[in-house]
Amino acid sequence: DGGITQSPKYLFRKEGQNVTLSCEQNLNHDAMYWYRQDPGQGLRLIYYSQIVNDFQKGDIAEGYSVSREKKESFPLTVTSAQKNPTAFYLCASSIGSASTDTQYFGPGTRLTVL
Amino acid sequence: AQKVTQAQTEISVVEKEDVTLDCVYETRDTTYYLFWYKQPPSGELVFLIRRNSFDEQNEISGRYSWNFQKSTSSFNFTITASQVVDSAVYFCALSEPGYNNNDMRFGAGTRLTVKP
Repeated sequence: DGGITQSPKYLFRKEGQNVTLSCEQNLNHDAMYWYRQDPGQGLRLIYYSQIVNDFQKGDIAEGYSVSREKKESFPLTVTSAQKNPTAFYLCASSIGSASTDTQYFGPGTRLTVL
Repeated sequence: AQKVTQAQTEISVVEKEDVTLDCVYETRDTTYYLFWYKQPPSGELVFLIRRNSFDEQNEISGRYSWNFQKSTSSFNFTITASQVVDSAVYFCALSEPGYNNNDMRFGAGTRLTVKP
């Protein structure tokens, strides 16, 4: 089955710890994205990558880091510098890197900071 | 700057009722794309439709239909004969070509509850 997987589904972190969220796609899509969703709000873009070994900051990149060493993988690290990391994180991919390409989403990871 | 407004925060209907979710957008471009996504309780966003600004024909897909009106900058979504499985948060989004990939803007979403 082709799709996007995110793991884990639920993640708990102590304050001051870094944590990495996984995102894998087997759709052979070029572009990948990370969004953050807070209750009652729309999605806000954290980072995106149009091609392997390249990525760009989105609207709320502070306190986050990413890597794109393989086409199918785009992990997101939430660092201790992120002041309010508790949120729902969604990964997406699109076949091309045009901003108008349809983005397909994974099931999300819910991060809670204790 | 582009912007998407979904003024209806929550809507509740009884099964079999028709319901329309509103989406109003702002953009300076003549070329742009509009999207609708469904987010069921599981959390994953499910793609429903993509429409470019040059295609104003209304779209129907089963019980779903979309009314695109450039004159009012609206792209409304109607569910006919709603079902409990339609309960979800629905997002409208706008993107413009020729810019960076951070230009897909989402509305705040409308939570639809369909009661049996």
